[in-house]
Amino acid sequence: EDKVVQSPLSLVVHEGDTVTLNCSYEVTNFRSLLWYKQEKKAPTFLFMLTSSGIEKKSGRLSSILDKKELFSILNITATQTGDSAVYLCAVGQGAQKLVFGQGTRLTINP
Amino acid sequence: DAGVTQSPTHLIKTRGQQVTLRCSPKSGHDTVSWYQQALGQGPQFIFQYYEEEERQRGNFPDRFSGHQFPNYSSELNVNALLLGDSALYLCASSWTGVNEKLFFGSGTQLSVL
Repeated sequence: EDKVVQSPLSLVVHEGDTVTLNCSYEVTNFRSLLWYKQEKKAPTFLFMLTSSGIEKKSGRLSSILDKKELFSILNITATQTGDSAVYLCAVGQGAQKLVFGQGTRLTINP
Repeated sequence: DAGVTQSPTHLIKTRGQQVTLRCSPKSGHDTVSWYQQALGQGPQFIFQYYEEEERQRGNFPDRFSGHQFPNYSSELNVNALLLGDSALYLCASSWTGVNEKLFFGSGTQLSVL
């Protein structure tokens, strides 16, 4: 059975802290790993990774994929209250079908 | 450029009823996928439509059915509603054959009483 596991499930930190969110996977037909941010309803795209070891960066957010150990991490530095959201990790299996993890609920306190 | 739009935003039904949810994809997209997200869980793949046909299906019963129209918009139908069908239903669109990046709508929150 295809499985994507995120940890921690919930995280509360103070503004300015750095956080690391984890995603491990066991799926058939791996094509890519994606990160989404879900603040209210619509998940919004953050990153898509297909190759091991290449760090993707966008401002304070960065992500890296390890295809040998089957995991990815999402880092957020200098967190702000606007970073509070559920972060979803998903594996793309081809033909644009995604298998999602349970999500990590991140709360940033001022 | 409008993104993915879904209607209605909220819906309340009773057990045994039937429901239809609607989705218009992002301009230029030809593939529509539907996901069910229960409270506190990640989205689960229901099915995907391309060229007006169901191309892939997840592990959902036949009570869940869909349709895609020539303008690429889509409907999700659920018959004989159960309490467990209460969830956020997300529609996602994409260009087929490009990559795995999906664009999501804001969803329809379905409550079954």
